[in-house]
Amino acid sequence: DIVMTQSPDSLAVSLGERATINCKTSQSVLYSSNNRNFLAWYQQKPRQPPKLLISWASTRGSGVPDRFSGSGSGTDFTLTISSLQAEDVAVYYCHQYYGTPWTFGQGTKVEIK
Amino acid sequence: QVQLQESGPGLVKPSQTLSLTCSVSGASISGGDYYWSWVRQPPGKGLEWIGYIYSSGSSYHSPSLKSRVAISVDKSKNHFSLTLSSVTAADTGVYFCARGTMDYYASGGFDYWGQGTLVSVSS
Repeated sequence: DIVMTQSPDSLAVSLGERATINCKTSQSVLYSSNNRNFLAWYQQKPRQPPKLLISWASTRGSGVPDRFSGSGSGTDFTLTISSLQAEDVAVYYCHQYYGTPWTFGQGTKVEIK
Repeated sequence: QVQLQESGPGLVKPSQTLSLTCSVSGASISGGDYYWSWVRQPPGKGLEWIGYIYSSGSSYHSPSLKSRVAISVDKSKNHFSLTLSSVTAADTGVYFCARGTMDYYASGGFDYWGQGTLVSVSS
């Protein structure tokens, strides 16, 4: 299984400041034939299902604000919220769909400082 | 607009079988290149992928659940189902159905989710 490790487990950021979440995979999720990273990021608010923010490591989902960006390749990935808004308080998960079983990171809780 | 909706009992007794259905609207379950999936979340914890059934009908489930899991599809009703046998308290949680995709020109991962249904395993 591909193990996903996120860091930190939680972080508190002031409104308008940058939030950075890291995700490390136990093996590469880069598919060499098409140069795509099979890595997604989700946002989950209380009592709601997860919402797809980023797929292919850096492609924003439909309607996702541009303050959310994804970067990285191979085994190391980052989700950045460039200017934290109150509505961004949530738990964020990375997810690999490169190999079965598909797996998720443990989650990172983002709060307002 | 694609919508998914889970349904099924909210309470299951230990050692019995959990059965859930996900009704899909706005998309044909037998069309396209999609992985119709189940994901669960124990109370206060993270997400665990259970398995999927592909548009072609082939299925795959997480080895961690061994042979307890079955995922099936009813194309005539445009829904897919999950059965999990021999449940214990560790199977308590919110169960989500979701559509998985690997569309190189659009999105990958789970692009649509149901609202989730809480299943408690208790006598």
